[in-house]
Amino acid sequence: GAGVSQSPSNKVTEKGKDVELRCDPISGHTALYWYRQSLGQGLEFLIYFQGNSAPDKSGLPSDRFSAERTGGSVSTLTIQRTQQEDSAVYLCASSPWATTNEKLFFGSGTQLSVL
Amino acid sequence: AQKVTQAQTEISVVEKEDVTLDCVYETRDTTYYLFWYKQPPSGELVFLIRRNSFDEQNEISGRYSWNFQKSTSSFNFTITASQVVDSAVYFCALSGEGGGADGLTFGKGTHLIIQP
Repeated sequence: GAGVSQSPSNKVTEKGKDVELRCDPISGHTALYWYRQSLGQGLEFLIYFQGNSAPDKSGLPSDRFSAERTGGSVSTLTIQRTQQEDSAVYLCASSPWATTNEKLFFGSGTQLSVL
Repeated sequence: AQKVTQAQTEISVVEKEDVTLDCVYETRDTTYYLFWYKQPPSGELVFLIRRNSFDEQNEISGRYSWNFQKSTSSFNFTITASQVVDSAVYFCALSGEGGGADGLTFGKGTHLIIQP
C-alpha cells in the first residue's frame, strides 16, 4: 500500500503480558515517529528514528517501553509487563524529511487495551 | 517548554453553518511551525496546513481558512459552509527549532460534529 501501515489494528492483552506493535512506513521515508493517543493525555510524542541512527529514548514513558527500527524501515514498539494505563491508541508516522517542520504521514494506529 | 491549547473540546453545528476552531500556542523559539491535522473516524491524522512563524498571511483553501496572529499567539481554523464530511477531531500542533527529535507538540483536539 501507499500509506503508513500499522499492525495489529487492535490488540487486547492481559495486564503483565508483553506486546509488540509494528509500523511499516512509506517506502523511502527516512524519519519515523511513534505517538500515543489517550483520552486524558491527548497525543504524546514517544520516540523518533532518523534512518539508521540511534533514537533519543527520553520521550518513552517508562523503561517498560522500547522501540527499534530494522534496516531503516520497519519499526517495532514493545511494551513489557503491560499495565492498564498503557491502554491507548499508538500511532506511527513517517516523513521523507529529517525534521518535524514538514508534514507527517500517519497510520491508522493500534488500539491497545490492557485488561 | 512548548504548549498548544485547544480550549474547545467539542463543537456541534448544523450543516452549512460556519465554524471556527481556536488554537493558542506557547513557545520560546523564534522560528517555529504551526500545523492543523484532521482525524476522521478511521483514525489516521491527515495533514491540512503548515505555517511558519515568519509568514502571517492568512490562507484560504476552498471552504477552509486559517488566521495566524503572532500578537495573540493564535492560529485559528475556520470552516465555511460546513458539511457532514467535516465531522472529525481536529488537532493543532507546533514544531520548534529542535527538529525531529523533539516531535510535534499537539493540542488535545476539538471534536467537531456537523449535524445534517
